[in-house]
Amino acid sequence: GENVEQHPSTLSVQEGDSAVIKCTYSDSASNYFPWYKQELGKRPQLIIDIRSNVGEKKDQRIAVTLNKTAKHFSLHITETQPEDSAVYFCAAVNNDMRFGAGTRLTVKP
Amino acid sequence: EAEVAQSPRYKITEKSQAVAFWCDPISGHATLYWYRQILGQGPELLVQFQDESVVDDSQLPKDRFSAERLKGVDSTLKIQPAELGDSAMYLCASSQGPPLSGANVLTFGAGSRLTVL
Repeated sequence: GENVEQHPSTLSVQEGDSAVIKCTYSDSASNYFPWYKQELGKRPQLIIDIRSNVGEKKDQRIAVTLNKTAKHFSLHITETQPEDSAVYFCAAVNNDMRFGAGTRLTVKP
Repeated sequence: EAEVAQSPRYKITEKSQAVAFWCDPISGHATLYWYRQILGQGPELLVQFQDESVVDDSQLPKDRFSAERLKGVDSTLKIQPAELGDSAMYLCASSQGPPLSGANVLTFGAGSRLTVL
């Protein structure tokens, strides 16, 4: 089955800086790559996703890039704010949806 | 906004007891997933349903866990007997279509937090 690795496990940035989280996947047949944000005690919420026919997608301060050849994709958050502090999970979808281990992002005011 | 309903939100039980979780997906969502999330880790897939059929239960510990979705709508996940290591958040999620379709965006429920003493 699909194996998703996510780095780093923790990330601390200063408010206003950028944050980048990277994921790799193993199954070249995976074709959909969502990112979820999970605040403490709450359910994961979809923040952005990308399909395999696209290399980059942007939504305001959030962007995702996909390199199918290298089988990796990244989440980019610009102009970080304290409310961006949460755990972020990437996922890769083939016959099912497998998640990375998560990145705890802390944005210091 | 449509939501995935789960109950109970919290469950405390003693080891060797039976426990059951219920999930009602968004109306019209044919694909339903159960995930287990241990604190500090990513969601781990337990079972995936397409309508009433199990598509993938390869990571479900079948000696103690069972899942069903008899009418292809709501679903129940059961653990019997519960063990200390089962303490986790059990998340249900649903999507309109199967994973490889264009309707595979996943919506999560609030989860059922299990504590086994």
